Amino acid sequence: AQRVTQPEKLLSVFKGAPVELKCNYSYSGSPELFWYVQYSRQRLQLLLRHISRESIKGFTADLNKGETSFHLKKPFAQEEDSAMYYCALSGTGNQFYFGTGTSLTVIP
Amino acid sequence: NAGVMQNPRHLVRRRGQEARLRCSPMKGHSHVYWYRQLPEEGLKFMVYLQKENIIDESGMPKERFSAEFPKEGPSILRIQQVVRGDSAAYFCASSPRGQNTGELFFGEGSRLTVL
Repeated sequence: AQRVTQPEKLLSVFKGAPVELKCNYSYSGSPELFWYVQYSRQRLQLLLRHISRESIKGFTADLNKGETSFHLKKPFAQEEDSAMYYCALSGTGNQFYFGTGTSLTVIP
Repeated sequence: NAGVMQNPRHLVRRRGQEARLRCSPMKGHSHVYWYRQLPEEGLKFMVYLQKENIIDESGMPKERFSAEFPKEGPSILRIQQVVRGDSAAYFCASSPRGQNTGELFFGEGSRLTVL
């Protein structure tokens, strides 16, 4: 069965410190992995997708098929990065499955 | 493009009543997803619909819950005989086509409170 696991519900880091939000998945085929973000009082929105290999707002995520992980990283956290982050998986049939989310707080 | 519109934003029902939540996808989008977010939990997939078809309802409770996406009009998530455990935020998302574009466009959610 498809599953997305985000082990940390809450994560606090100081401004300027590196940040890593963990995501592990289980899926029998070849999934597409994404990170979504919800800033305070805003809608949930796509942050980045693994297939694009892009860096958005300084965030990157590498798909590690061996470890079935898709951790989100940023070398220097900013206050405006404080938000709720969801890892998501899409498989065949276009279903999307989300993790339980990690609330990131960047301390000034 | 106004984005995905959900209404009502807040809905209060007493136990046993019916709740109807509406979702108008973005213009040109024919794929709609419903998710439920319970307190302290993440987004849980409920149902995936295309116009006039339910594609995947594996996340829907077997009883009391139903969803539709008619040819004309919004998608509707219907909960009959609501119970306190149905209190949650219900989010709708849409996408433009069946291929995996990787991007869902979310509404602001409808918060259901069952007294």
